[in-house]
This record gives sequence, C-alpha cells and structure tokens, in this order.
Amino acid sequence: AQKITQTQPGMFVQEKEAVTLDCTYDTSDPSYGLFWYKQPSSGEMIFLIYQGSYDQQNATEGRYSLNFQKARKSANLVISASQLGDSAMYFCAMREWNTDKLIFGTGTRLQVFP
Amino acid sequence: DTAVSQTPKYLVTQMGNDKSIKCEQNLGHDTMYWYKQDSKKFLKIMFSYNNKELIINETVPNRFSPKSPDKAHLNLHINSLELGDSAVYFCASSLSQGGGETQYFGPGTRLLVL
Repeated sequence: AQKITQTQPGMFVQEKEAVTLDCTYDTSDPSYGLFWYKQPSSGEMIFLIYQGSYDQQNATEGRYSLNFQKARKSANLVISASQLGDSAMYFCAMREWNTDKLIFGTGTRLQVFP
Repeated sequence: DTAVSQTPKYLVTQMGNDKSIKCEQNLGHDTMYWYKQDSKKFLKIMFSYNNKELIINETVPNRFSPKSPDKAHLNLHINSLELGDSAVYFCASSLSQGGGETQYFGPGTRLLVL
C-alpha cells in the first residue's frame, strides 16, 4: 500500500537561508507522481511542485526544488532563500498511476524567523 | 476568476442537522474530489468524480453523499451531523484522472458541529 512519511513535525530556518523538508514514500507501483503543497495559516492548499517517477531530472519551480532520490524513495523539498512568507505547513503527497488517490503525509510546520 | 471555489467558507451547526457544501471549478477539469482535514491537519480523500461519475468512495459513512450535477460542480451533503464531522473539507479538481495530474484545491469549508 502506498504511504508517505514526513518525519519532521516542525522546522525553523532563518530568513534568506535554504531549508530541506524531508519526505519518504513507499509504493509497489513503478509509476507514480510526487507533489508538495503549502498550507499557510489562512488555510488554503497551494500546489508547489510535481515530480514524476520517470522524470530524469529533479523538478524546480522558482525557489522550490525537489530532491528526488528514487532508489531511496525520497522526495525532499528544498526551499532556497527562505522568506517570512514561507512560514506554513508543508505536505508531501503521492499518487500512484493506477489509482486516483492522492495520499498525504502528516506535514511539516516551517517557521522562518528574521 | 477563482479556480476552485467552495461555499460556505464557515459552517457552524448543531448535531443532528443536515448541511451541504458546494464546490465549483472553472478550470475545465474533468475530475473533482472531496478531502477531509482533521484537527491534526491530516488530509484524507473521501470521494472523487470523473465527468460526473463516482470513481472513489473511500469508506466514508453513508451520511455523506456527494452529488455532481455537471463536471464543473461537486457538492457534498451531510445528514445527521455528528461531533466527529467537525473538520475542514476541501474540494479539489484535476484535468483528468491519473497519477501525473496535479490537483488544485479550493479554499476549504470549516465545519464545526456543536
């Protein structure tokens, strides 16, 4: 069965520094997609970045990059040059190709301080 | 020009009442979803519809009944509300089914059952 694990309940980072949020996953399906979402205190879920299991290169979107290590089944989110507005909950999620279910991890609360 | 919208944003009601949450997307997507986020921020899929057809029904009590009048709308009706139904309910949509499709979320409906 598919599973997503986020082992860091909370992380602190200073403004302008880079931070890595960990995510590991488990699946027996060779075809899957990995997603990261941001949930600020206002509550909405904001899509950040996507990585397909067959993508050869790590995904990047602006200050966000996904460090995809397929053999280790990890999909860590790297945020470069942190900003105060990055303070939020971050969720890693996975969706197997043969199902339509997006399975979420338990989230990591990131706090950026000046 | 909101992509995925939900009404109402807040819902406070008494145990035993029946309530509905509406969701609309203007992205032209074929697939829509309902998720429940509990008090510990854990997100779990409840239902998905593809072009008005129910695809996923994730062991949700049958007091919850989704209805999709057309592919741009997916409503959630809840009968005989219980205290444990208090949560944030998110609607989402994606272009189609499949592991690679990104799901875009609505702003959420915060339901409090007293």
